[in-house]
Amino acid sequence: EPEVTQTPSHQVTQMGQEVILRCVPISNHLYFYWYRQILGQKVEFLVSFYNNEISEKSEIFDDQFSVERPDGSNFTLKIRSTKLEDSAMYFCASSENRGAGNTIYFGEGSWLTVV
Amino acid sequence: AQSVTQPDIHITVSEGASLELRCNYSYGATPYLFWYVQSPGQGLQLLLKYFSGDTLVQGIKGFEAEFKRSQSSFNLRKPSVHWSDAAEYFCAVGARQAGTALIFGKGTTLSVSS
Repeated sequence: EPEVTQTPSHQVTQMGQEVILRCVPISNHLYFYWYRQILGQKVEFLVSFYNNEISEKSEIFDDQFSVERPDGSNFTLKIRSTKLEDSAMYFCASSENRGAGNTIYFGEGSWLTVV
Repeated sequence: AQSVTQPDIHITVSEGASLELRCNYSYGATPYLFWYVQSPGQGLQLLLKYFSGDTLVQGIKGFEAEFKRSQSSFNLRKPSVHWSDAAEYFCAVGARQAGTALIFGKGTTLSVSS
């Protein structure tokens, strides 16, 4: 079964450093997402991306964050100048555009620890 | 406001016993409803979804859920729990339009005792 893959599975970074989390969505999917789960809290939506632009973003997704689809397969989340509170599991997800229908498939997550 | 409530933070069930995890939602439009499961150290796996039609939906691993519009609920059930079902379960709601965000509940942790 096709799946969303994410790298790295775990990254430790110094506060203030830049981090790039990478994702390969399911190949025929057109919508891509990043979600975040701080330890012990609910999964929160960050951003959705379609047709090479952001289609929706939450208030969490401020200027510190950016997303990019640098080629035909990868989808990245960049976090500039990381803060301690950015420590979380970051999930990439994708969905296929079939009009009405919104099943989102998630990757296994990238655990980011900011020290 | 759009929200998902999972009233039970932690549930313990004996192996072989039945299970029901509660989910209530508040959503302005006609909702799409989902249950995801997250095992320790793993990602979110889709268990089942409700879009339209039959209000009782079947999912993987023997799970089912029933959509009750009048109660704004989408409770997850399993007739006989296995030790491998121990995990965290998340209910989520989204819009019919592709590409919109899912709103998650805080999750219910299921422990299975022998």
